Parts: sequence; structure tokens; C-alpha cells
Amino acid sequence: DAGVTQSPTHLIKTRGQQVTLRCSPKSGHDTVSWYQQALGQGPQFIFQYYEEEERQRGNFPDRFSGHQFPNYSSELNVNALLLGDSALYLCASSYGVTHQPQHFGDGTRLSIL
Amino acid sequence: AQTVTQSQPEMSVQEAETVTLSCTYDTSESDYYLFWYKQPPSRQMILVIRQEAYKQQNATENRFSVNFQKAAKSFSLKISDSQLGDAAMYFCAYRKYTGNQFYFGTGTSLTVIP
Repeated sequence: DAGVTQSPTHLIKTRGQQVTLRCSPKSGHDTVSWYQQALGQGPQFIFQYYEEEERQRGNFPDRFSGHQFPNYSSELNVNALLLGDSALYLCASSYGVTHQPQHFGDGTRLSIL
Repeated sequence: AQTVTQSQPEMSVQEAETVTLSCTYDTSESDYYLFWYKQPPSRQMILVIRQEAYKQQNATENRFSVNFQKAAKSFSLKISDSQLGDAAMYFCAYRKYTGNQFYFGTGTSLTVIP
């Protein structure tokens, strides 16, 4: 039973570029949440997708957008990259939007030069 | 807004000894969940223990237990018989009763000394 898988593992971009990160939820899960974890900090909630719609959003600018596909996998897109976007991006999946435990992936390390 | 505070950036413990990691939080809700997650260098966040606020009994998972003080908004993690594999970053997290958004603290780096 595969857990949450994220790709790529590590990515290097330059300022102003755009990036797409991918997440496949754990088998049986239909909800995907994205978190940004800056170095030395705890993860911060970006947004959550359920039934292919954004259901909740944290305090992140519109440069951060996402998508969920019919197979429940998800993408996180970041436009006009800034140096401050350098972080570990974690994906978490669960079944349903409430009360259920979340399972995290190993993350994508994004470095902005 | 919910905030989670971990006041110990780093802690160390001798192998086989007991260590307690502290966490406080701020919320106006009466029902919510609290969690401790472990993040080893492999980066994956691993659930250690979970506490429902409406339960007065402290949660326990093998060598891991919590001291949940709802009135004081305190949620500490006790690790007994510490093992080398317990070395990691530990994050305290809060989640509303309805909803899936986690609020994490800044973490405590635990070192286990052989």
C-alpha cells in the first residue's frame, strides 16, 4: 500500500520562474493539503483540495495555486518565484476533510537561486 | 488565530532516560485535536501521538505519552526509555475539530546521547 508520494524530490529554480510540484495521495484518500516548511520552521498551511476544488486556504499570495485531478492527485504551482519561496513543500492526504488523520509525504525541496 | 509555541529549540537526553518536550497553544475553541509529529532527516512527518480535547484522559502510545492540561493550554510529550531512533525534530500541532488545517509549532530538535 503506497503512502503519499511527491515528485520531484529536489528542484532548483531561479527567481521569476514558475514551478509545479506533484503529489499522489495514499491509496483510499481523497483530500490533499499542501504545506510550506521554511528552514528551521514548522510547516505552514497553503491550501487544501477536496473534490477537485480548493476548500481552505492559508495566508499565501495568489502566486500559489493548485489543482486536484479526478484520481485525487494534486499539483502545487508557484509563479514568479522569489528567494523566500525556498523551502520544503509537504503534501498530506486524508480521507474526507474532517476528523481524519493526515499522512505526509517526504516533501519536495525547492531551492531558488 | 490559533498559535502553537514550542519554547525549547533543542533538547538532549541520554539513551534509556526520559525526556519531556513542551508545547503551549492558543485557541478560543473548546473542541480540537492536538498532535505530536516526528520529522527525522528523511523529512517525512510521522505521527507520534494524537489527543482529542474532549477526552480528559492523556493519550499514550507505547513509550510516548502526553500531559494534556486543557485549562492551561499545555500539551507536553514525554518519551520514556529514549532510543537512538528517537532523535529527530518534534513538532506540536493543533487542528480544529472541524477542518483539516494544521497549525504547527517551530519544533524541538531532540538529540539522543548513546
